[in-house]
Amino acid sequence: NAGVTQTPKFQVLKTGQSMTLQCAQDMNHEYMSWYRQDPGMGLRLIHYSVGAGITDQGEVPNGYNVSRSTTEDFPLRLLSAAPSQTSVYFCASSYGQNRHYGYTFGSGTRLTVV
Amino acid sequence: GEDVEQSLFLSVREGDSSVINCTYTDSSSTYLYWYKQEPGAGLQLLTYIFSNMDMKQDQRLTVLLNKKDKHLSLRIADTQTGDSAIYFCAESESGGSYIPTFGRGTSLIVHP
Repeated sequence: NAGVTQTPKFQVLKTGQSMTLQCAQDMNHEYMSWYRQDPGMGLRLIHYSVGAGITDQGEVPNGYNVSRSTTEDFPLRLLSAAPSQTSVYFCASSYGQNRHYGYTFGSGTRLTVV
Repeated sequence: GEDVEQSLFLSVREGDSSVINCTYTDSSSTYLYWYKQEPGAGLQLLTYIFSNMDMKQDQRLTVLLNKKDKHLSLRIADTQTGDSAIYFCAESESGGSYIPTFGRGTSLIVHP
């Protein structure tokens, strides 16, 4: 099925560990972004990309890295996990010319850092 | 920067109409959206409206935009228990990446 696929769905990390959250879309969308969702905080933008090879920081980029080597994939790397990074992470994508029509979201990765 | 405000909770009886309100501060907001998030799921785009429109209707959903007051509302007619979810208001500007800025979400609870 076409859409945005995120893996894993759940993850528990120890403080200081690193990991990569995967995001892939098969809709040929140029625009991709990562959000984190915390209770009462809504969604906050971490990083985004307007095309392969181009990334930029969002509202809360510290502690996260991204890369965009292909149009399909936009992984999010946690360099050294901290309890403050416990959250639900969403990847979203949009087709360039129609991006004003809204974004398609993945089902999320629930991350707990202990 | 942009700011999008929503009330956090709304409780309605099944069959009644629900009205979820949102205010935004950026006068250059060109595109406004409503997303729905069901428990354990990602956000699903419900509808959108452009700033050159005042109203948009799509089946049970009616979106009203008051540009003067920077106020957006989503009305759900004949609310059903399946409408229970978190509803997010979002806005984006033209001429850029159109990355939306989200409100904190309104939890809609529909009770029998």
